Amino acid sequence: AQSVTQLGSHVSVSEGALVLLRCNYSSSVPPYLFWYVQYPNQGLQLLLKYTSAATLVKGINGFEAEFKKSETSFHLTKPSAHMSDAAEYFCAVSAWGGKLIFGQGTELSVKP
Amino acid sequence: EAGVVQSPRYKIIEKKQPVAFWCNPISGHNTLYWYRQNLGQGPELLIRYENEEAVDDSQLPKDRFSAERLKGVDSTLKIQPAELGDSAVYLCASSSSGTGAGGTEAFFGQGTRLTVV
Repeated sequence: AQSVTQLGSHVSVSEGALVLLRCNYSSSVPPYLFWYVQYPNQGLQLLLKYTSAATLVKGINGFEAEFKKSETSFHLTKPSAHMSDAAEYFCAVSAWGGKLIFGQGTELSVKP
Repeated sequence: EAGVVQSPRYKIIEKKQPVAFWCNPISGHNTLYWYRQNLGQGPELLIRYENEEAVDDSQLPKDRFSAERLKGVDSTLKIQPAELGDSAVYLCASSSSGTGAGGTEAFFGQGTRLTVV
């Protein structure tokens, strides 16, 4: 069975600081991994995905994530936070058939 | 290109009443998903369609929930009767992948926020 664990339900950073959102996965097969962002009262928007090509994946809005098989991790980072980054972030693993299994989510707050 | 369209955006109903949600996926997307997102949680799959066929409905509470996808395009999710615990956001998503293509992106609609009182 596949699962995802996001460490920290809420992360707060100052504007311009590094953003680090943690995600660990469990999968018996090579996983497909995703990060989605959800703004208030909106659906989910894909930030980036890992599909077994490069282990460092670059996404939209300056975000990137690194797949580390030895650590079963897929942490999301951004060098410099912007106020507009405040949102809920979900890590997900794709099971057979494209079904996404989501983590609990991490709410990112950005302080001016 | 239009994205995934859902309606209504918000719905408030009394318990024991029926409710229906509608989804229009991205044109050409064969795979359609319905997810339920409880407050403060990640979305959880209710049902997945490949064209007209429901290929994964293992998490759909079949005593009160039903879904259909006529002609392999639009889809409707129904709850009858609704319970207080059904209050959640119902998200529809679509993708161009077929069965087994786990790496394909799913595109999400804005969701329907259901409140049962």
